[in-house]
Order: sequence, then structure tokens, then C-alpha cells
Amino acid sequence: DIQMTQSPSSLSASVGDRVNITCRASQSISTYLNWYQRKPGKAPKLLIYAASTLQSGVPSRFSGSGSGTDFTLTITSLQPEDFATYSCQQTYSTWTFGQGTKVEIK
Amino acid sequence: EVQLVESGGGLVQPGGSLRLSCAASGFPVSSDYLSWVRQAPGKGLEWVSVIYTGGRTYYADSVKGRFTVSRDNSKNTLFLQMNSLRVEDTAVYYCARLGEYCTSTSCYRGFDYWGQGTRVTGSS
Repeated sequence: DIQMTQSPSSLSASVGDRVNITCRASQSISTYLNWYQRKPGKAPKLLIYAASTLQSGVPSRFSGSGSGTDFTLTITSLQPEDFATYSCQQTYSTWTFGQGTKVEIK
Repeated sequence: EVQLVESGGGLVQPGGSLRLSCAASGFPVSSDYLSWVRQAPGKGLEWVSVIYTGGRTYYADSVKGRFTVSRDNSKNTLFLQMNSLRVEDTAVYYCARLGEYCTSTSCYRGFDYWGQGTRVTGSS
């Protein structure tokens, strides 16, 4: 099974900050990598697929990059509604999620 | 509008059974890949099972042989039959649609619609 490791597991940031979250796959997954946003009591939301393609309706302050084993989710100018947990997911071989990165208010 | 509504969760003793349902609207369940994904307390998301449009099913190793995914096209509903439940199956269970998205070079899948989840608690 392909393992997905995210870092950091949590971070504190302020509104307006730039945030980077990394995700590493245990083997090459090309660009078969999605990013999700999770908020308590709400269904997860697909933000990015194919490592860097924004899902329809997702603000352009979100971006994704990477291929192979190393990927990054970047949020430029963090907004109040962005405080949430972010998870990566590989879709190269069945589906595996990272453990999540919680973005908290500093 | 696509909607997924889960039901059937509850408290169950280890070794017991439970059947989860996911009522879909806005699309026919027979026309898309549908999955169950769970989140245990304090843990990340874990894919559980998938049913393809042709009816093929796949399972995570952690539930293989104990869980069965199925669908009723006439009711437009997805099911997850959970047998031999263990304490470690305690989680919120989501049904999710695995949508397909194609770029100029390849096609990709992502869980684009999710239900609100139903809680399963395994406890004696």
C-alpha cells in the first residue's frame, strides 16, 4: 500500500499569512494527488486534483504543486474561513489519505 | 443538485452487525463510482470500499471479508453491510462520489461529493 505522510501535523498562522503544507508519498504517484479541506461537522471538500488543478469554485489563493513523491499545498494570504484541516490523498493505487494538517489561528 | 445522505449508524457491540445506507439524489448511483470513507476519532480519513459502475467492488485490507458494499438502483441508494464489527471500526462513515476529471493528458478521480456522515461506535 502507498503511504502518505504530511507535514507539519499542525501549524499556527495569522490572517494574511502564506502557508505551505507538504505531502510525501512512499512511492512515485506521478500527479495522482488530491487535496481536501475538512471542517468539524462538515463534509470534506475537494480543493485540488491532479496535484495542481483547482476544483471549480475554489479560490485562487489555493494552489498545488509537485509530482512523483513530493507535493505542496500553498495558501497565499490566509483568510478566516481557511482555518481547517487539510488532507492529501493519492489516487494512483486505490486511495490513501495523509493524516491531515490542522491550520490554527495564531 | 447532487446530495448524499447517510443513515444507519449507531452503537454496536464487538462482533455485531450494522447496515449503513446512503441515499443519493441528483444523479443515478449506477452511473458513478461510489465509495465509503471513514474517520476514526483523532485520526485521518481512511478509504473503506468502492463500487464501480459495472458493479465491481474493492475493499481496504482492514475491512476485507467483513464489510460488503452494494447498491439498489431502484432506490438510488448505496449500502455498506458491516459484519464482525470491531472496536477499531468506530468512526464517522461518509459516502462519497468518486468523480472523474480529465486534463489534456490524463483523467483523474477525486471524492467530489460527500454526505454529512453517520457515526458508528463499537463498544461493549
